[in-house]
Amino acid sequence: DAKTTQPNSMESNEEEPVHLPCNHSTISGTDYIHWYRQLPSQGPEYVIHGLTSNVNNRMASLAIAEDRKSSTLILHRATLRDAAVYYCSGRYSSASKIIFGSGTRLSIRP
Amino acid sequence: KAGVTQTPRYLIKTRGQQVTLSCSPISGHRSVSWYQQTPGQGLQFLFEYFSETQRNKGNFPGRFSGRQFSNSRSEMNVSTLELGDSALYLCASSQRDATNEKLFFGSGTQLSVL
Repeated sequence: DAKTTQPNSMESNEEEPVHLPCNHSTISGTDYIHWYRQLPSQGPEYVIHGLTSNVNNRMASLAIAEDRKSSTLILHRATLRDAAVYYCSGRYSSASKIIFGSGTRLSIRP
Repeated sequence: KAGVTQTPRYLIKTRGQQVTLSCSPISGHRSVSWYQQTPGQGLQFLFEYFSETQRNKGNFPGRFSGRQFSNSRSEMNVSTLELGDSALYLCASSQRDATNEKLFFGSGTQLSVL
């Protein structure tokens, strides 16, 4: 069955880089990997997405493993505002639905 | 540009009742998807609509249904409510295909079933 797994929680210091991992072992070659983050009492907010190669935007970078079975969201310099629950997701064509990981709660120490 | 709007924001129902939730996507977006979020199960995909057609459906019982109108607005309905249906229901919109495009989420409808 299609599955996306993430660590439950991570902690980091302010202004240090953060690497958030995600395993999506059943993803197929044409399924995009998306990352979202969610603050309390809000809907998830888009962070980044990619297919094969590494992707960068103003918020973060996404490093995708060569076999596409895992990816890592990189926040280059964490701020207190980055404290949130981060979800990776993908559409597994075999299951024809969008699957979210259980989310990683990121805490930032001042 | 207005974001995704979900109404109502909060809802309290009793077991056995039915409920209808509404979602207005961002103007110009034609794809709407729905998710159930609970502390125990996380974000679970319910269904996805594109141009009034259901494209995909998650693993939920038939009590959960939805539809999309010609103006892309969408509704989801849950009949014969159970205690376990208490959750935050989120909808998201994208321009065309939720696979390749980023999703814009609403703030959700918090449903409590007593």
